[in-house]
Amino acid sequence: NAGVTQTPKFRVLKTGQSMTLLCAQDMNHEYMYWYRQDPGMGLRLIHYSVGEGTTAKGEVPDGYNVSRLKKQNFLLGLESAAPSQTSVYFCASRPTGSETQYFGPGTRLLVL
Amino acid sequence: AQSVTQLDSHVSVSEGTPVLLRCNYSSSYSPSLFWYVQHPNKGLQLLLKYTSAATLVKGINGFEAEFKKSETSFHLTKPSAHMSDAAEYFCVVTLISSGSARQLTFGSGTQLTVLP
Repeated sequence: NAGVTQTPKFRVLKTGQSMTLLCAQDMNHEYMYWYRQDPGMGLRLIHYSVGEGTTAKGEVPDGYNVSRLKKQNFLLGLESAAPSQTSVYFCASRPTGSETQYFGPGTRLLVL
Repeated sequence: AQSVTQLDSHVSVSEGTPVLLRCNYSSSYSPSLFWYVQHPNKGLQLLLKYTSAATLVKGINGFEAEFKKSETSFHLTKPSAHMSDAAEYFCVVTLISSGSARQLTFGSGTQLTVLP
């Protein structure tokens, strides 16, 4: 049982490049979340999903897209990266009936 | 709207002395509250949670927190700090109005330093 895993662990992009961050969970959780963490600001919700095939916007969705084609995977896409998207990205999942979210180890993204 | 305020961005204590990390929340509803810990270059780990049962909540590694509705506080304490407690701590509230999504609202974090 690996829990929540994230790929890649670290990435450097140039402005305008695109990339996809992958989150996978093997706990059969319905709910999945993408956050970004910036210094002094805690974590802010980007997008989330309440089940396979569904997605919704969080607090800071601009510049990001997501997809939940399979229950165990939640993808975060950056179509045209900007320096303001330099951050640490965390994925989390949660089972139905519990309010506890389980976090992945994070992806560090640097956009030059 | 719900919000969380962590009153100290940095706290330093000596090993073996008590730890107090302060958190105040704002909520129109009875909130669910959490403390998460993040060690350097690691993900977030749940320390403890309050979900309207006992107001004194015990968590892992000797931490506990008390929910005080009259003071809208949820301070985290530990009687005796250990070097391994050095980390960043986040106070978190569930956004009840988000319905089943149960979005989390994070405080800005408190960096705990433990001095030898």
